Amino acid sequence: DIQMTQSPSTLSASVGDRVTITCRASQSISSWLAWYQQKPGKAPKLLIYKASSLESGVPARFSGSGSGTEFTLTISSLQPDDFATYYCQQCHSYSLTFGGGTKVEIK
Amino acid sequence: EVQLLESGGGLVQPGGSLRLSCAASGFTFSSHAMSWVRQAPGEGLEWVSAIGSGGSSTHYADSVKGRFTISRDNSKTTLYLQMDSLRAEDTAVYYCAKWGSGTYFDYWGQGTLVTVSS
Repeated sequence: DIQMTQSPSTLSASVGDRVTITCRASQSISSWLAWYQQKPGKAPKLLIYKASSLESGVPARFSGSGSGTEFTLTISSLQPDDFATYYCQQCHSYSLTFGGGTKVEIK
Repeated sequence: EVQLLESGGGLVQPGGSLRLSCAASGFTFSSHAMSWVRQAPGEGLEWVSAIGSGGSSTHYADSVKGRFTISRDNSKTTLYLQMDSLRAEDTAVYYCAKWGSGTYFDYWGQGTLVTVSS
């Protein structure tokens, strides 16, 4: 199975900060990567698919980049609604696997 | 509006069985693959199973292979997960999720809690 490693596991930031989360795959997954946001007690929400495609309705401050084994999710200017946990997911092959998550906390 | 509504969760003893359902609406159910994803308390997301749009193609995580069975009824626009030989480590919120244009999940249900305990 393809292992997905996210870093950092926790991130403290302030409103207005630029935030970057990294996801690494144990083998090449081309651009088959998705990013999700999850708030406590809620289902995950799709943000980015195919590494860099923004899901409809998601604010443009979210962006994704990368290919192969290294990917990033960037929030250009952190907003109060963005404090949540973020997960990457490889969409390349079964078993589909998620990263361990990055919790973005208020600094 | 896409809606996915899970049901069937609850408390079950180790070794027991449970059947989850996910009622779908707001999209052409028979045209989309579907999955189950779970989340143990305080933990991350774990993909459990997937089924193709027609129901003939199925895939499972190693952790549930041989114990769980995914199925769908396109006439009832409902997804199912039959869970047998349940273990304490199967305790989690189970989400059904609709596939987008690839093997990623563009819509999720609200989840149903399964607790395996004596």
